[in-house]
Amino acid sequence: QSALTQPASVSGSPGQSITISCTGTKDDVGTYSFVSWYQQHPGRSPKLLIHGVTKRPSGVSSRFSGSKSGTTASLTISGLQAEDEADYYCCSYVGSSASWVFGGGTRLTVL
Amino acid sequence: QVLLEQSGPEMKKPGTSVKVSCKTSGYTFVNYGVTWVRQVPGQGLEWMGWVSGYNGHTKYAENVQDRLTLTTDTSTATAYMELRSLKSADTAVYYCARDPGVFLGGDYFDPWGQGTLVTVSS
Repeated sequence: QSALTQPASVSGSPGQSITISCTGTKDDVGTYSFVSWYQQHPGRSPKLLIHGVTKRPSGVSSRFSGSKSGTTASLTISGLQAEDEADYYCCSYVGSSASWVFGGGTRLTVL
Repeated sequence: QVLLEQSGPEMKKPGTSVKVSCKTSGYTFVNYGVTWVRQVPGQGLEWMGWVSGYNGHTKYAENVQDRLTLTTDTSTATAYMELRSLKSADTAVYYCARDPGVFLGGDYFDPWGQGTLVTVSS
């Protein structure tokens, strides 16, 4: 199963908004609303930000939001803060294999 | 407070096996599953498999299914990941994470354990 496609890096200045894309196929992102996003700071475990494409767990800042169009899911971070500098991974259910696949990860730099 | 506490780092030789434990607390173990994910140093996340905390049913990723066994001990609320015939390419940090799926895998993983570094080297 090939990894979902994410940009290797994105950057933004404090206060700005950025969007990270996650492109899959009809066998995963395009068909299922089982897309989640994770934030990972260096040396730390991943943390759930978004599940079910758009759902935000309690305790996660409202600055994080998710969406999907066709075979591409997106994570938007508004009002960028220095603490948002981290790696971000998307994840989707894969129907043909009843398994899960992650994106390659995106490194966010806050300028 | 939901916690997943993993066993310590391991050094293994190629061809041997490793077993990593994930002791859970703060929730009812049998009402959730546990998913395992690994991360080669400097690289991305890879889903390995899922085990039900209720009945021990499993689902494995195709690329490791012949070498991977996931089990649980409901008496101690602990999940285990055993990987056999280790290769240098298996050197990675292995994470367990709570999964809302009991009869099938759930659709997200939260929270995660602290990770266990497994180093495979001759």
